[in-house]
Amino acid sequence: ETGVTQTPRHLVMGMTNKKSLKCEQHLGHNAMYWYKQSAKKPLELMFVYNFKEQTENNSVPSRFSPECPNSSHLFLHLHTLQPEDSALYLCASSQDFRLPETQYFGPGTRLLVL
Amino acid sequence: KNEVEQSPQNLTAQEGEFITINCSYSVGISALHWLQQHPGGGIVSLFMLSSGKKKHGRLIATINIQEKHSSLHITASHPRDSAVYICAVERSGGGADGLTFGKGTHLIIQP
Repeated sequence: ETGVTQTPRHLVMGMTNKKSLKCEQHLGHNAMYWYKQSAKKPLELMFVYNFKEQTENNSVPSRFSPECPNSSHLFLHLHTLQPEDSALYLCASSQDFRLPETQYFGPGTRLLVL
Repeated sequence: KNEVEQSPQNLTAQEGEFITINCSYSVGISALHWLQQHPGGGIVSLFMLSSGKKKHGRLIATINIQEKHSSLHITASHPRDSAVYICAVERSGGGADGLTFGKGTHLIIQP
């Protein structure tokens, strides 16, 4: 148990569906991250939020839309996804993105797009 | 070429063996992380290093900043150590880059 929770753990959706992934951290951290892990590829950073402000967007398609209403919650809104978006989506948090701090990861949401 | 390279990609060993996983990187870093990912996907952070050596139970991590190389060792390996071990670096200079990850080493420890 890392103090970072993600829901749902598994999600199957069609290409026309709209769904949201949720991440919550109970560590008092200020920075939160979304990562994508595709099969046989390294983890890819998608978004970084620090103090609720987005500080990084690594050229992620607009069909992925992040939302950070407060420093404890992070959402990833999904719409009109493609089958190649099927992957494990991991949320992480750290004390502050500017410091070499340990990132704590959630268990991930395994997404299948049909 | 990836900025973070791990070797080996796959490793199968017998219970009790001493395991070494290597990580080399080509960028300036402020810290290096070793992560463990179990088959369900959840990731646990094992170590964060910026110099020297750290030990936690049967796990030992070392880093040589001059050589841009780190190793993760597992002593008296056990089947429950079977997982993917991922090396990740934080680039020096700060910024919101998160971590840059290696592709991972898939370790299987057989009874």
